[in-house]
Amino acid sequence: QKEVEQNSGPLSVPEGAIASLNCTYSDRGSQSFFWYRQYSGKSPELIMFIYSNGDKEDGRFTAQLNKASQYVSLLIRDSQPSDSATYLCAVGRGSTLGRLYFGRGTQLTVWP
Amino acid sequence: EAGVVQSPRYKIIEKKQPVAFWCNPISGHNTLYWYLQNLGQGPELLIRYENEEAVDDSQLPKDRFSAERLKGVDSTLKIQPAELGDSAVYLCASSLGLAGGGASYNEQFFGPGTRLTVL
Repeated sequence: QKEVEQNSGPLSVPEGAIASLNCTYSDRGSQSFFWYRQYSGKSPELIMFIYSNGDKEDGRFTAQLNKASQYVSLLIRDSQPSDSATYLCAVGRGSTLGRLYFGRGTQLTVWP
Repeated sequence: EAGVVQSPRYKIIEKKQPVAFWCNPISGHNTLYWYLQNLGQGPELLIRYENEEAVDDSQLPKDRFSAERLKGVDSTLKIQPAELGDSAVYLCASSLGLAGGGASYNEQFFGPGTRLTVL
């Protein structure tokens, strides 16, 4: 089982819709959770982080964390074509502070 | 504030040749990371530095890869000799590290990467 798994996609949604991106992780000791956006040919860009159970909202983005289910998600409301990118989930363990484990990403396309 | 700087952006070499990548982290970031990213995959850690010290290099193929961060600021990653399978994007990232406190330690910011092609 991989450390971090993401729904493989690709995910395609119309402009204005809600895009839902999901991620599960294997280590129950994980403490920090990150979402990175990566445009084609570019490097990952940190867009959200969450450390506690529940929801965290930042503009059109909401990160949701459920440690009991070992599940973290990213919701993008009012999706725009500029949101089209690959979204990487990354998880930090408590036992290996400083190391992030990345999923392979979910490719999102928002069509006008 | 300037971001993480990497050079070169692109490199094409013949197999068995050496190659080096350079990274300058965000000012004040004590922790520096080198990652490798293959197409369609997430970044994989090669080595992590806390200041000058390599504290996590378990994923670095030490027979051909080496890295240094002599003054605790910029860093160089070297491959000698390069193999065809080394073709990938090499990413450098930095974070505040312990100075950031707690979980913010892991808030990592990436440079633009170096795309290596080995022929």
